[in-house]
Amino acid sequence: DTAVSQTPKYLVTQMGNDKSIKCEQNLGHDTMYWYKQDSKKFLKIMFSYNNKELIINETVPNRFSPKSPDKAHLNLHINSLELGDSAVYFCASSPGQVGEQYFGPGTRLTVT
Amino acid sequence: SQQGEEDPQALSIQEGENATMNCSYKTSINNLQWYRQNSGRGLVHLILIRSNEREKHSGRLRVTLDTSKKSSSLLITASRAADTASYFCATDGGSNYKLTFGKGTLLTVNP
Repeated sequence: DTAVSQTPKYLVTQMGNDKSIKCEQNLGHDTMYWYKQDSKKFLKIMFSYNNKELIINETVPNRFSPKSPDKAHLNLHINSLELGDSAVYFCASSPGQVGEQYFGPGTRLTVT
Repeated sequence: SQQGEEDPQALSIQEGENATMNCSYKTSINNLQWYRQNSGRGLVHLILIRSNEREKHSGRLRVTLDTSKKSSSLLITASRAADTASYFCATDGGSNYKLTFGKGTLLTVNP
């Protein structure tokens, strides 16, 4: 069983479009995250949610809007996509505020 | 500011050898974690060491933590080709709900 799943795995789109990435975890965790990994493999936190509430927004442009309909889901919607948004986006979850995180397989977003 | 900085950036060894990777960070921490990322995959948690611990083992992994030097090391003993991956350290910066990752060490284990 997949613990943290993301869809789609690959996303190719043009500048200016709006796209969404979905994330689901079946681990019963309270906390979920979005990370962005750039072409140099640098991984940076974007958002943290706990029990559907936004805890951390790491100075991400407001074109990025996370939505957590329930504890098991954290989706990421991106408006007006830019070339610099091209990256791999990872969803993760954890049972608490600290401790190990469980990562999804990633969504490779390519903006042309 | 970025917390973790791994060293070296890349490491190539032969199967059976040991691999050591280092991580330095800048602020106080509650814990430090190491993750592995295989090419094209998500990160996998390897080991967590708390700020009051100095050494921790898990199978072929040994992690040390020196909070006075703000540094940690990950030792993989008797490496295998399957250990080929990028390895990242991550720190919580003393706060909750957030991990800051280093740039990673790319380990290549040659058969």
